[in-house]
Amino acid sequence: KAGVTQTPRYLIKTRGQQVTLSCSPISGHRSVSWYQQTPGQGLQFLFEYFSETQRNKGNFPGRFSGRQFSNSRSEMNVSTLELGDSALYLCASSLDVRGLYGYTFGSGTRLTV
Amino acid sequence: SQELEQSPQSLIVQEGKNLTINCTSSKTLYGLYWYKQKYGEGLIFLMMLQKGGEEKSHEKITAKLDEKKQQSSLHITASQPSHAGIYLCGADPDPIGGATNKLIFGTGTLLAVQP
Repeated sequence: KAGVTQTPRYLIKTRGQQVTLSCSPISGHRSVSWYQQTPGQGLQFLFEYFSETQRNKGNFPGRFSGRQFSNSRSEMNVSTLELGDSALYLCASSLDVRGLYGYTFGSGTRLTV
Repeated sequence: SQELEQSPQSLIVQEGKNLTINCTSSKTLYGLYWYKQKYGEGLIFLMMLQKGGEEKSHEKITAKLDEKKQQSSLHITASQPSHAGIYLCGADPDPIGGATNKLIFGTGTLLAVQP
């Protein structure tokens, strides 16, 4: 069965631009969560979606947003990019609302600003 | 807020040697996940522990959650170059308060295995 698919794998953008990243969860998984990984801050939670609803949001500015579609695919958007947004962005999918069956991560999107 | 501290931060071992990585939580752990990451890539799920005293093994990797559920250890027996990578522990910071899929992660342990 296919894993979590993130596209694109790499992105290079200029400060001030905006970017959209995509995540397709494992078939049947309805929860998608997003994380940002940087050398300085490590892995930090961005937000989580379940059944098209954002249920939790991390401590990030409003420039970071996301959404989930009816087929559970999710996108995250970063507007007005800053140099500090350069990071590996990971998404994880899980079957249920509590992660009782674990989380499967994608390979990530490496964003360079 | 809950924090996870991993030790050591980095580790270099000779191939064939055993090693242990620790993950200590500032609060009780209700679900502890171990992941492995190759640099710049996604996280590979290793094991999930939920009960105090629980121990799980897969191939040469064993993970334990202590009885008080505030510390977990990951032990690798007879290490191989394929074990090299970053090991991360993750935990759900609010498993009781609400239904939310959010993990906090430790800072990671970088493992190098010398042939």
